[in-house]
Amino acid sequence: GQQLNQSPQSMFIQEGEDVSMNCTSSSIFNTWLWYKQDPGEGPVLLIALYKAGELTSNGRLTAQFGITRKDSFLNISASIPSDVGIYFCAGHIVTGANNLFFGTGTRLTVIP
Amino acid sequence: EAEVAQSPRYKITEKSQAVAFWCDPISGHATLYWYRQILGQGPELLVQFQDESVVDDSQLPKDRFSAERLKGVDSTLKIQPAELGDSAMYLCASSRDTGYGYTFGSGTRLTVV
Repeated sequence: GQQLNQSPQSMFIQEGEDVSMNCTSSSIFNTWLWYKQDPGEGPVLLIALYKAGELTSNGRLTAQFGITRKDSFLNISASIPSDVGIYFCAGHIVTGANNLFFGTGTRLTVIP
Repeated sequence: EAEVAQSPRYKITEKSQAVAFWCDPISGHATLYWYRQILGQGPELLVQFQDESVVDDSQLPKDRFSAERLKGVDSTLKIQPAELGDSAMYLCASSRDTGYGYTFGSGTRLTVV
């Protein structure tokens, strides 16, 4: 499968701090998605990006689709305890199968 | 808000036994996916359906895994016989079309002992 490198692997931050995580690949993607997964649950879609350069916000979340179509970042502003979880980037590649490839995840811990 | 329903939530089975998981996608979603997620990793696709047809099952271990979506609505994933390495979360997802964000169910946590 396609390799999506997600960083950092884990983060420990204080409540109220901003968070940034990113995802890179050697392949070109035509869609970038960001999911959050709580323990024992399925991933929940946070933001979907469909065009290179697109910058999209959802409340305290902001994500961008890189110009090269090989990367994306997710920012969380003013973190709160319920932001704890694992964040996955995912993408559809330009050619080939239509399935969604996932990154390795960023585990976020928010310290009250 | 529409959800993808999966059952059971948890399953413990002995190795060499058969096990089955069920998924009911969001109404009207033609595309259905089964993913496997090993602890600490991202989900990996096992099989993709478009209506009742298999679009991609290249990563499905066909010697022991099978999946069907007979009427193009709900789907069943079966493992026979189960092996210790099959312990994982099995996630079902659906989307109205390929290329869009998927909606995932809560998953079935399988433990093979």
